[in-house]
Amino acid sequence: DQQVKQNSPSLSVQEGRISILNCDYTNSMFDYFLWYKKYPAEGPTFLISISSIKDKNEDGRFTVFLNKSAKHLSLHIVPSQPGDSAVYFCAASRSSNTGKLIFGQGTTLQVKP
Amino acid sequence: DARVTQTPRHKVTEMGQEVTMRCQPILGHNTVFWYRQTMMQGLELLAYFRNRAPLDDSGMPKDRFSAEMPDATLATLKIQPSEPRDSAVYFCASGPLGKTGNVTNSPLHFGNGTRLTVT
Repeated sequence: DQQVKQNSPSLSVQEGRISILNCDYTNSMFDYFLWYKKYPAEGPTFLISISSIKDKNEDGRFTVFLNKSAKHLSLHIVPSQPGDSAVYFCAASRSSNTGKLIFGQGTTLQVKP
Repeated sequence: DARVTQTPRHKVTEMGQEVTMRCQPILGHNTVFWYRQTMMQGLELLAYFRNRAPLDDSGMPKDRFSAEMPDATLATLKIQPSEPRDSAVYFCASGPLGKTGNVTNSPLHFGNGTRLTVT
């Protein structure tokens, strides 16, 4: 039972354009959402997060949008850069559940120069 | 720059052998997680500890996997006997979570993983 789903295994965009990565979840008890970025041969690193009391959080070129009614979140990267090429994981948590993160399958982003 | 350290980085072993993976969490972090990365499932949670006590290991095949934290600076994940289907990258992560375990403002820090190949 995949509670967090990233239905697009890969995405390719041109440098300078917008990258939009999507994530869906099924558990309405999740109240905190995160995006992690992973380069080959390295562990995932935290990128940006959003609490369920908000619908948008922005940090530089990265913005996460949350649509609670649709149980959907997305990560926007504007403008995309070749160094953004990596695997992006969406994760969700229940704040009452000791920090346990449930991850999606990941989306591989390729930004072409 | 504090980081989570995992050893070994790579392990190749034959089916039936015991495998031990080690993790040194960031000093002061009181919660440790073990995740496994597979193509189909992404990052699967295997087990986690708070203040060295196991909280949840429901994601782990109990008959062959075991996770322990003998002290605050060492977490181990053992597979005995190993099988080819265990081949994956295993990640350890730690976090400075408080008593209520709220992840807000304290995201997990991951190690670089152990790539396990069982032939």
